Amino acid sequence: KAGVTQTPRYLIKTRGQQVTLSCSPISGHRSVSWYQQTPGQGLQFLFEYFSETQRNKGNFPGRFSGRQFSNSRSEMNVSTLELGDSALYLCASSPVGYEQFFGPGTRLTVL
Amino acid sequence: GENVEQHPSTLSVQEGDSAVIKCTYSDSASNYFPWYKQELGKRPQLIIDIRSNVGEKKDQRIAVTLNKTAKHFSLHITETQPEDSAVYFCAASKASGGYNKLIFGAGTRLAVHP
Repeated sequence: KAGVTQTPRYLIKTRGQQVTLSCSPISGHRSVSWYQQTPGQGLQFLFEYFSETQRNKGNFPGRFSGRQFSNSRSEMNVSTLELGDSALYLCASSPVGYEQFFGPGTRLTVL
Repeated sequence: GENVEQHPSTLSVQEGDSAVIKCTYSDSASNYFPWYKQELGKRPQLIIDIRSNVGEKKDQRIAVTLNKTAKHFSLHITETQPEDSAVYFCAASKASGGYNKLIFGAGTRLAVHP
């Protein structure tokens, strides 16, 4: 099976802009979770989607949002970008629960 | 709140030695404990996991132990090799009914010297 894929791999944006990141899970996996990885805060949970519904949400401001489509592909959106949003954004897919498999990530740089 | 503490933050060993990384979780409802290995510039890779109904699990040179009473779990790597050098993350979740929120430790940077 093909692994989790994420696009784009790299993004450079300026403050105030918005960005959309995409994640395609492993075929047959219905759960997609998003994480933010930074040197200072480590790996932090953003949200999880299952069958097009947001099931869990982390402690991030409302500028961070996401959605899942009927084919389980997911997108996350960050509006009004801030310098502190610079990070590696990882998505992970899971068949139902337990094991989560990560994609390569999208490296977002906010200038 | 939910928290996972991980120690040590850095670990340096000689090739062939053993390495042990320890984690403590705060939420007693946690029932799933995976370990991830992340090499520089790569994605976190699931290397081993354990569920709360099991005390120990082994896969070749790596093993994980869980003490539910103390809310501790540990990763043991035996006969370390240079390719084991990476950052290792522990995590905990309440993965029942598909609840998939992983709470990660801060990571341990393992260096294996030839």
